[in-house]
Amino acid sequence: SAVISQKPSRDICQRGTSLTIQCQVDSQVTMMFWYRQQPGQSLTLIATANQGSEATYESGFVIDKFPISRPNLTFSTLTVSNMSPEDSSIYLCSVAAGPTANYGYTFGSGTRLTVV
Amino acid sequence: AQSVTQLDSHVSVSEGTPVLLRCNYSSSYSPSLFWYVQHPNKGLQLLLKYTSAATLVKGINGFEAEFKKSETSFHLTKPSAHMSDAAEYFCVVSEVDSSYKLIFGSGTRLLVRP
Repeated sequence: SAVISQKPSRDICQRGTSLTIQCQVDSQVTMMFWYRQQPGQSLTLIATANQGSEATYESGFVIDKFPISRPNLTFSTLTVSNMSPEDSSIYLCSVAAGPTANYGYTFGSGTRLTVV
Repeated sequence: AQSVTQLDSHVSVSEGTPVLLRCNYSSSYSPSLFWYVQHPNKGLQLLLKYTSAATLVKGINGFEAEFKKSETSFHLTKPSAHMSDAAEYFCVVSEVDSSYKLIFGSGTRLLVRP
């Protein structure tokens, strides 16, 4: 299955600033997914990033706050913009582990973000 | 719309005793179901998956789960708990529609007592 390199692994940021998180996959994948895990909570899907088209955002998430880039089939970035303490979470990227969803999904190791 | 309910937020067992983590799902399609484990400060690891083949699914580290369509359940079991099993466990559903997105349960924290 695919191997994902996600960075940074953690960061502490000032409110009002932005942070860009990168995910690099060792193989070409059609869809990449970005999730948020708030402290003590489960994972919530932020958006699906498709190469060559705009990301598809889930309810409650908007492009101005979480812009996503997908320049090719192995790379994606998620930016958390104009941060506030409520954005303190773990952010994870994910890809399907095989050609279909039945293969399961592989996750990056996550970015632990603290906003002060 | 699909959903996942993990019936216990915390489960505590003694080392060497059986583990049961309960999960019920709701899906309008034929779902794919997964169990993931998250150890403290670690990433998510796939334990096992059900994809409409055998209803009893065996995973890594001695875990298994049984898909019961009549009960809409996908409970995770292990015959004998080990201290290293202490972690957060997520039951996850994916519908094979155009989105392939995952819906996560709220998680069950497994505590293993020596």
